[in-house]
Amino acid sequence: AIQLTQSPSSLSASVGDRVTITCRASQGISSALAWYQQKPGKAPKLLIFDASSLESGVPSRFSGSGSGTDFTLTISSLQPEDFATYYCQQFNSYPITFGQGTRLEIK
Amino acid sequence: QVQLQESGPGLVKPSETLSLTCTVSGGSVSSGSYYWSWIRQPPGKGLEWIGYVYYSGSTNYNPSLKSRVTISGDTSKNQFSLKLSSVTAADTAVYYCARVGPVPYMDVWGKGTTVTVSS
Repeated sequence: AIQLTQSPSSLSASVGDRVTITCRASQGISSALAWYQQKPGKAPKLLIFDASSLESGVPSRFSGSGSGTDFTLTISSLQPEDFATYYCQQFNSYPITFGQGTRLEIK
Repeated sequence: QVQLQESGPGLVKPSETLSLTCTVSGGSVSSGSYYWSWIRQPPGKGLEWIGYVYYSGSTNYNPSLKSRVTISGDTSKNQFSLKLSSVTAADTAVYYCARVGPVPYMDVWGKGTTVTVSS
C-alpha cells in the first residue's frame, strides 16, 4: 500500500497567516491526490482533488499543488473557521490511503 | 443534493458481527457514475478506507480487513451496507459512508456513526 506522510503533524498559526501543509507519497502517484478538512465531531469535507482542483464551494484561499510524490496544501490567509485537521488521500492505486493528518491550531 | 445517513447498533460485543447501513437520499446507488464506500476513524486517530461497492455488485476491500468485510448494495431500498465479522476492541471507531466518484475521492460523506466494541 502507498504510504502518505504529512508534515507537520500539528501547526499553530494566527488568523491572516499563510499556511502550507506537505504530503509525501511513498511512491509516485501522478496527480491522484485529494485534501480534506475535518472539524471535531464532523465528517471530513473534500477541499481539493486531482492535486490542484478546487471542489465547488470551497473558498479560493485554499489551493493545492504537486505531482509525483510531493504535494502541498496552502491556505493563503487563515480564517477562524479554518482551524481544523487536514488529511491528504491518494487514489492512484488501491487500497485508498490517507495521511495521518495535520492539526491546525490557533496561536 | 445527495445526502448519506449511517445507521446501526452503537454497541457490538467482541467476536460478533458489526452491521451498518447507509441510506442514500437525493441520488441513487444504482447510478453507474459512483461507487459507495465505507471509511472508519478510531478515537483520536486518522482515517482508514474499508472498501466500496458498485451498483453492479462488484466490490473492492482494503486488504487489511478483507477477510472480515462484506459490503453490499440494496437498490430497492437505495441503501448499501457494511458487515465486519469477528470484531475486537480495535474495531471501535466512527464509521462513515461516502460517495466515491469515477476518480476515487470522496465527495459526499455521511455524518458518521460511533460503534463501540465491548462486552
